[in-house]
Amino acid sequence: GAGVSQSPSNKVTEKGKDVELRCDPISGHTALYWYRQSLGQGLEFLIYFQGNSAPDKSGLPSDRFSAERTGGSVSTLTIQRTQQEDSAVYLCASSYGTGSYEQYFGPGTRLTVT
Amino acid sequence: GNSVTQMEGPVTLSEEAFLTINCTYTATGYPSLFWYVQYPGEGLQLLLKATKADDKGSNKGFEATYRKETTSFHLEKGSVQVSDSAVYFCALDSGNTGKLIFGQGTTLQVKP
Repeated sequence: GAGVSQSPSNKVTEKGKDVELRCDPISGHTALYWYRQSLGQGLEFLIYFQGNSAPDKSGLPSDRFSAERTGGSVSTLTIQRTQQEDSAVYLCASSYGTGSYEQYFGPGTRLTVT
Repeated sequence: GNSVTQMEGPVTLSEEAFLTINCTYTATGYPSLFWYVQYPGEGLQLLLKATKADDKGSNKGFEATYRKETTSFHLEKGSVQVSDSAVYFCALDSGNTGKLIFGQGTTLQVKP
């Protein structure tokens, strides 16, 4: 079956613009996670959803970052007024449930802020 | 807070050599521990996991044992292959939420 998909695969934007990153999880997976992978910071947790609720948003770097999930499926990560330090690969993962279930990762969206 | 520390890479080995990648953690309670692998040009994928002390996770010839007394989860393989060349990440989930805390990653390069 289909894995986790993310779009766009690459995004180049100018500093100060808003961007939206999309994640389509594996069908039937109730948990969805966003991570960020950058050279300086490694792999960082951003936020997770159980269904449409986000019990833990502690990894969002600032109030410029927000995320939502609708219908227990697709999720969108929005970054407002992008800064150069936002440049990174944004990874989405989904799993059957929370806890020690295997997380299946998407290919990521590479964001470059110029 | 919770954290994971991995040995720094890159690690370069010849084919059929023995591999150890060290991983230690700091966490409250009893975390689940994971090794994820990222092959060149591919996404992250789970390699193995252990959910309680003294458990051994194993997959594809790799294994790691959850050692609570030393707070470690070292990855080992007896005989590496060129196809094992990848970046390996140790991770923990301390709250049973699936929120993963990752180590910095260790790049392994295996030469023929």
